[in-house]
Amino acid sequence: EPEVTQTPSHQVTQMGQEVILRCVPISNHLYFYWYRQILGQKVEFLVSFYNNEISEKSEIFDDQFSVERPDGSNFTLKIRSTKLEDSAMYFCASRLGDTGELFFGEGSRLTVL
Amino acid sequence: ELKVEQNPLFLSMQEGKNYTIYCNYSTTSDRLYWYRQDPGKSLESLFVLLSNGAVKQEGRLMASLDTKARLSTLHITAAVHDLSATYFCAVFGSSNTGKLIFGQGTTLQVKP
Repeated sequence: EPEVTQTPSHQVTQMGQEVILRCVPISNHLYFYWYRQILGQKVEFLVSFYNNEISEKSEIFDDQFSVERPDGSNFTLKIRSTKLEDSAMYFCASRLGDTGELFFGEGSRLTVL
Repeated sequence: ELKVEQNPLFLSMQEGKNYTIYCNYSTTSDRLYWYRQDPGKSLESLFVLLSNGAVKQEGRLMASLDTKARLSTLHITAAVHDLSATYFCAVFGSSNTGKLIFGQGTTLQVKP
């Protein structure tokens, strides 16, 4: 069964360092998303991406964040200068378009020290 | 801004009992999703409810949607320990980008 894959599963970084989280969405899907979940809290929308551009972003997604789809298969989330409060689980998701069902990856746990 | 609220946020119940989780949302939407999350794991899709009056069942879980009342319910029948998890409902935001707005989650603990 097709699935969304994410790497790394866990990354530990120092405050101020740049981090790139990688995702491979399901191959025929057209819409891509990043969500985050701080431990024990709800899942929060970060950004949506369609047709090679950001279609919507939340207030959380400030200038420190960026997304890219560099090669038609990978979808990356970059955090330029990490802060302690960026520590969270980051989920990538994709959808085909018609049914609207979102398929989530296993998540990347980011720990900022 | 669309708000999605679940209650209760925490539910401890005995095996064999029935209970219902409620999900209210603040603006019109005809699509609602239920997800399950085990600790430290990803979100597993349980139900996709696409229209008013939709009812779906899988095992001991049944979900329904009332778009007029802006309410969805997740009913648990004869709970078993394996159902212990956090359950999230999610609704499409008002934009056409397909983003989901999640409720706070309901953590279900089923005791033997």
